[in-house]
Amino acid sequence: EAQVTQNPRYLITVTGKKLTVTCSQNMNHEYMSWYRQDPGLGLRQIYYSMNVEVTDKGDVPEGYKVSRKEKRNFPLILESPSPNQTSLYFCASSPRNPLYGYTFGSGTRLTVV
Amino acid sequence: AQTVTQSQPEMSVQEAETVTLSCTYDTSENNYYLFWYKQPPSRQMILVIRQEAYKQQNATENRFSVNFQKAAKSFSLKISDSQLGDTAMYFCAFMDNDMRFGAGTRLTVKP
Repeated sequence: EAQVTQNPRYLITVTGKKLTVTCSQNMNHEYMSWYRQDPGLGLRQIYYSMNVEVTDKGDVPEGYKVSRKEKRNFPLILESPSPNQTSLYFCASSPRNPLYGYTFGSGTRLTVV
Repeated sequence: AQTVTQSQPEMSVQEAETVTLSCTYDTSENNYYLFWYKQPPSRQMILVIRQEAYKQQNATENRFSVNFQKAAKSFSLKISDSQLGDTAMYFCAFMDNDMRFGAGTRLTVKP
């Protein structure tokens, strides 16, 4: 089944403790992206990648890191999480043709206390 | 930067009725794509319908259709014969090199 797999679905952590949210897609898509969803703000892009070893900042990159060492994987790293990073996070992937839009993972609910 | 505006934070509709969700966007690009995504309580993001900016014909997918007005930069979603399962958040999205979303409209379908 074609899908984007995100893990974990839920995560509660403490301020300052490094964490990684994994994302993997099996559709051979070139584009991958991370979004955070907050009430009243919709989805805001954190980082995106147009191919292996090519990443760029989105609208809200502060406090996050990403890497794209393989085409299928695009992990999101929070080196020192803070409470303002409590949010719902989505990974998404798309083929090069934007007509198809993004396919989304099932989301990760992160709480930083 | 492109922006997407959904001016209706919440809407409701009676089952079997028709409802229209509004979306406007701002861009200087000529070639782009527009989408509506549905997010039910399961929080999964589901693509509902897409529109290519260079196509004048409005897209239709079963009970879902759009009214695309390129000059006005408007992209509204019409849901006909509303069903209880249509209850969800709906996000309008704009895509050229990357995808930007509006703040969403929470739609409730009442029995």
